[in-house]
Formats: sequence, C-alpha cells, structure tokens
Amino acid sequence: KQEVTQIPAALSVPEGENLVLNCSFTDSAIYNLQWFRQDPGKGLTSLLLIQSSQREQTSGRLNASLDKSSGRSTLYIAASQPGDSATYLCAVRGGADGLTFGKGTHLIIQP
Amino acid sequence: DAGVIQSPRHEVTEMGQEVTLRCKPISGHDYLFWYRQTMMRGLELLIYFNNNVPIDDSGMPEDRFSAKMPNASFSTLKIQPSEPRDSAVYFCASSSPDRGLNEQFFGPGTRLTVL
Repeated sequence: KQEVTQIPAALSVPEGENLVLNCSFTDSAIYNLQWFRQDPGKGLTSLLLIQSSQREQTSGRLNASLDKSSGRSTLYIAASQPGDSATYLCAVRGGADGLTFGKGTHLIIQP
Repeated sequence: DAGVIQSPRHEVTEMGQEVTLRCKPISGHDYLFWYRQTMMRGLELLIYFNNNVPIDDSGMPEDRFSAKMPNASFSTLKIQPSEPRDSAVYFCASSSPDRGLNEQFFGPGTRLTVL
C-alpha cells in the first residue's frame, strides 16, 4: 500500500527566504505526482503536476522536482512571501486513479 | 468554467439522520472522486467514478456510505444513518485524461458536523 510522508510537518521562516518542502513515497510505480496548496477552511488548489517521465516542473516562484526511483519529490519556493502561508500537500497517483496524500506541511511566512 | 461545485458548504446534523452531499464536476471531465479529510487521517479517497460508473469503492468506510453518479454532471454521497465519527470535510474532485495530464481539480468541500 502506497504511503506518502511529508517533512517537515510545520515550518516557519522569515519573508524573503527560499525554502524546500519534502515529500517521499514508498512505491515508486507512480503515474504522476501533484502538489497542492490548502488555505484554512478552503479547498485544495493544484500548484504543479509532474508526470512520472518528468524530472521537474516550474510555475513562477515554485519549482517541483521528482526522483521516482528514490521515491522523493521536493517543492522549492523562492523568495517567500506572507501570502505563501498555507498547508502544502503532496499526492501521488499510482496504478489506480485516486490520489494518495501526505499529511502536509503547514507553512508560515513571517512578515 | 466555474470549477467543481459542491453543496452544501456546511452541514450540521444529529446522529442518526441521513446526510446527502452533492457535487457537480467540471464540464467535460469524465473522472469524479470523493475524498474525506480529518485531522487524524488526512485526506483519503472514498470512491471514484469513470464515465458515471463506480470503479473503486474500497475506501468507503462502511455500508452506511453510498455514492451515485446518475449523469455526467452530478454526483451524490449519502450517509445513512450518520454518526459523530463521520464529522469531516468531504471533497469532490474531477479530472480528464486529455493530453495525459489527469490533473485533479478539487471543489471547496462540505464541512460535515454530526452531533
């Protein structure tokens, strides 16, 4: 059974810093990996999707990498801003079509 | 497109009552997913449909839970009878395999409280 782990569970950094969120998964036979953002009391916003054949995806200040063989992905956030404060969720799609989620990293950017 | 639409946004009910959650997927998407989010267990897949047909319901916790998709633009998740441990946020998501992306788009969720 696929398990997804996100480290750290919580992170607080000053505004302007670059930061890395980590995600690991136990079964490397994945179809794709998706990073989401969740604001308190809100739904999930898709940030980046990486297909299993890809190594990375970029969107603005966000860059996600995927190392499928080692079961790892990272989300890099450049020049962090207070508006980046949210919970970031990593999810993988394996042989079935549903997603398996990590518990998330709760990120606080201090002004 | 308005995105995935869910109703109600909040539901408070008493133990033993029937609860029906509703979802309208993004037009043209042929996959629909129901997830549940709790503090203890995080986000978990309950059931998903492809072209209105249930494909995998192994995540449905008990027989008290049932889901239907009578047409491409509407799905329901029903809990009967409801119990306090069913309190959670229930999300609906949809996706399309066009261009091989299969990116899932989530609705705002329904926050269910069972007293």
